[in-house]
Amino acid sequence: EDKVVQSPLSLVVHEGDTVTLNCSYEVTNFRSLLWYKQEKKAPTFLFMLTSSGIEKKSGRLSSILDKKELFSILNITATQTGDSAVYLCAVINNAGNMLTFGGGTRLMVKP
Amino acid sequence: SQTIHQWPATLVQPVGSPLSLECTVEGTSNPNLYWYRQAAGRGLQLLFYSVGIGQISSEVPQNLSASRPQDRQFILSSKKLLLSDSGFYLCAWSRTQPYEQYFGPGTRLTVT
Repeated sequence: EDKVVQSPLSLVVHEGDTVTLNCSYEVTNFRSLLWYKQEKKAPTFLFMLTSSGIEKKSGRLSSILDKKELFSILNITATQTGDSAVYLCAVINNAGNMLTFGGGTRLMVKP
Repeated sequence: SQTIHQWPATLVQPVGSPLSLECTVEGTSNPNLYWYRQAAGRGLQLLFYSVGIGQISSEVPQNLSASRPQDRQFILSSKKLLLSDSGFYLCAWSRTQPYEQYFGPGTRLTVT
């Protein structure tokens, strides 16, 4: 059975801190790994990673995938209160029709 | 640009009542469509996906069903709701490639 595990479960930091969120996976037919940010409602797409070692960056957020060790990290630098959310990691299979989600990391950024 | 709609936004239903949640996508054709459920404080669980009209794959056996009567319409139904059906229901769409999924605003269902 495919499995995606995220750590830590929750994290409390202060504005300006840098955080690293972890996602490890055991998936039979891996295609890509995706990161989402979920505030009060629907998850919003952040990154899709398919190749190992290539960093994806958007503003203060960046992410990288290690297909040998089967994990990905999401970094957020200079955190702001608006970064407070649940961050979800998901893995998509080769056929592209199955997204397996991790349980999420709840990040709280205090002013 | 593409948009995805879901309604209703919130719903409170008694146990044993029927359910119909609707999802529509605009701005794209022949999308893959998905229904997820998120229980309180938990991750997303894939319930159904569809790659075309009338084509539904079920991931979790339960008292829910899904239908895709039109290319950009996806419906989640139940004949008799259970208390355990409470949760946040999300519809998502993707292209056939590159496959990242985009979510609708969700329906919060409370079964009483």
